[in-house]
Amino acid sequence: EAQVTQNPRYLITVTGKKLTVTCSQNMNHEYMSWYRQDPGLGLRQIYYSMNVEVTDKGDVPEGYKVSRKEKRNFPLILESPSPNQTSLYFCASRDRASGANVLTFGAGSRLTVL
Amino acid sequence: DAKTTQPTSMDCAEGRAANLPCNHSTISGNEYVYWYRQIHSQGPQYIIHGLKNNETNEMASLIITEDRKSSTLILPHATLRDTAVYYCIVRPPVNSGGSNYKLTFGKGTLLTVNP
Repeated sequence: EAQVTQNPRYLITVTGKKLTVTCSQNMNHEYMSWYRQDPGLGLRQIYYSMNVEVTDKGDVPEGYKVSRKEKRNFPLILESPSPNQTSLYFCASRDRASGANVLTFGAGSRLTVL
Repeated sequence: DAKTTQPTSMDCAEGRAANLPCNHSTISGNEYVYWYRQIHSQGPQYIIHGLKNNETNEMASLIITEDRKSSTLILPHATLRDTAVYYCIVRPPVNSGGSNYKLTFGKGTLLTVNP
């Protein structure tokens, strides 16, 4: 089944403890992206990647890092999490060649930073 | 990017058609209309998209007015599982170049399907 898989789905952590949210897709998509969703603010893009080793900032990149060493994986790294990064995170991928802006989203990762 | 306007919320009876409107009066000639939905706290799900002709797939139909300033998403036989926030988004086609073509999800329409 074509899908985007995120892990962990739920995580409670403490301020300053580095964590990584993994994202993997099995559709051979070039484009991948991370969003966060907060009440009243909607979905905001954190980082995106056009292909392997090509990443760029979205609208809210502060406090996050990403890497794209393989086509299928696009992990989101919080080096020193803070409470304002408590949010619902979504990874998404898109087939760049199709011409259609059809994103496939993961199920989401709910992160709480105490 | 063209701005879209959707009602905040709508109700629909189970088994009836749900018609969700969207206004996009500033749409450009090459911009597509996309519809996504998000069931509570799940990842957004692509539904359908179109340029000027009406489109239909296994999930829904999309009716775009001739002047392309508005569109309607139709769920022909709504079920309780169709309760979700529905987003109408207008974007140009993704080309093979190096652009983000970020999707901007506004507030959408909360569709509640009632038994």
